[in-house]
Amino acid sequence: DTEVTQTPKHLVMGMTNKKSLKCEQHMGHRAMYWYKQKAKKPPELMFVYSYEKLSINESVPSRFSPECPNSSLLNLHLHALQPEDSALYLCASSQLRLAGGPAGEQFFGPGTRLTVL
Amino acid sequence: DAKTTQPNSMESNEEEPVHLPCNHSTISGTDYIHWYRQLPSQGPEYVIHGLTSNVNNRMASLAIAEDRKSSTLILHRATLRDAAVYYCILRQGGSNYKLTFGKGTLLTVNP
Repeated sequence: DTEVTQTPKHLVMGMTNKKSLKCEQHMGHRAMYWYKQKAKKPPELMFVYSYEKLSINESVPSRFSPECPNSSLLNLHLHALQPEDSALYLCASSQLRLAGGPAGEQFFGPGTRLTVL
Repeated sequence: DAKTTQPNSMESNEEEPVHLPCNHSTISGTDYIHWYRQLPSQGPEYVIHGLTSNVNNRMASLAIAEDRKSSTLILHRATLRDAAVYYCILRQGGSNYKLTFGKGTLLTVNP
């Protein structure tokens, strides 16, 4: 199984709502990532988890709260978002670094398209 | 991460080879050259990567200049399914995780 799944596919929420995005992989990868992609722009890294611990936070506002409950699951909790947070949210996973080299290739899910009203 | 420069867009005909260039004049000795592509309405997918030598896999070939300041992704026979944005990315050997996407090249494949 070389698939990263993300749910939901689409999400519409108001600025006062609380919602969560879910990501799952069963490839045994111990690194998982959240990216944000605005329309016609490249993906931007938000968070990285390795061994279920947060290792990189790219200065993301606290209204985005990641969680990695186990090695297969990654959540992104959303609260009090702004309309400018509307974007495609991509999850990815990879093996950790091989000796002397970069981390393994990242496998991406199809994304959750988020609209904040 | 060191910066890469790619053409904004390129066009090809189906079943012809495509050469996608990438300039990375500030590359360091430990930077790996990665290529990802993003098909419409999908997440990015890994294509190929290399350090110094040319690389081949089932999807494409990667030709790396001798001074490593540029590289070329080669699709040997373009298909309509290869229409995508292609990203050339440098990843530091000591950097475990960061994948910094540039603007990429939008490849259009004509039937």
